[in-house]
Amino acid sequence: DVKVTQSSRYLVKRTGEKVFLECVQDMDHENMFWYRQDPGLGLRLIYFSYDVKMKEKGDIPEGYSVSREKKERFSLILESASTNQTSMYLCASSYSYYGYTFGSGTRLTVV
Amino acid sequence: GQQLNQSPQSMFIQEGEDVSMNCTSSSIFNTWLWYKQEPGEGPVLLIALYKAGELTSNGRLTAQFGITRKDSFLNISASIPSDVGIYFCAGPDSNYQLIWGAGTKLIIKP
Repeated sequence: DVKVTQSSRYLVKRTGEKVFLECVQDMDHENMFWYRQDPGLGLRLIYFSYDVKMKEKGDIPEGYSVSREKKERFSLILESASTNQTSMYLCASSYSYYGYTFGSGTRLTVV
Repeated sequence: GQQLNQSPQSMFIQEGEDVSMNCTSSSIFNTWLWYKQEPGEGPVLLIALYKAGELTSNGRLTAQFGITRKDSFLNISASIPSDVGIYFCAGPDSNYQLIWGAGTKLIIKP
């Protein structure tokens, strides 16, 4: 069964910590995405990548960075976590604009 | 930029009821997608629509691509407890990035 795996389901971090969220896909997809999900706001795109070492800003990139050193892995980095980054983070990969496969999400709490 | 307005924001229904939700935009879309997110999981694609007027079913779910290409509808017949979740509409913009609606949360009253 094809999969997108996010390394943690739940994380609690302190304000100011550097936080790494990891995502791995086994479908050989070119495209990978990081979204955050907040109640009533739907899915907001943070960053995406069309290829290894390539990244593009989404709608809300401020306070985040990403890394894609290998095709199957896309990491989201919070350089200095803040309480307003408490959210559900979803990773997805796709071969086209409609074939998105999502991970189960990481619920991050910053205290 | 393009936006998708999804309504209602939430629905409280009795088991067995039919459900209708919709998604509208001020812009034309060439594809409409409907996803479902169950509690604690990521969204999963339910139905994809590619042509104006298209009506497509997936079990008890039926989705329609509006004739104006600015809207889409999702209906669920005879709801059951496993239908609970958040339903999202989505469509690609001119750069083939998905634009997402804010979601409709479906809650089934016991």
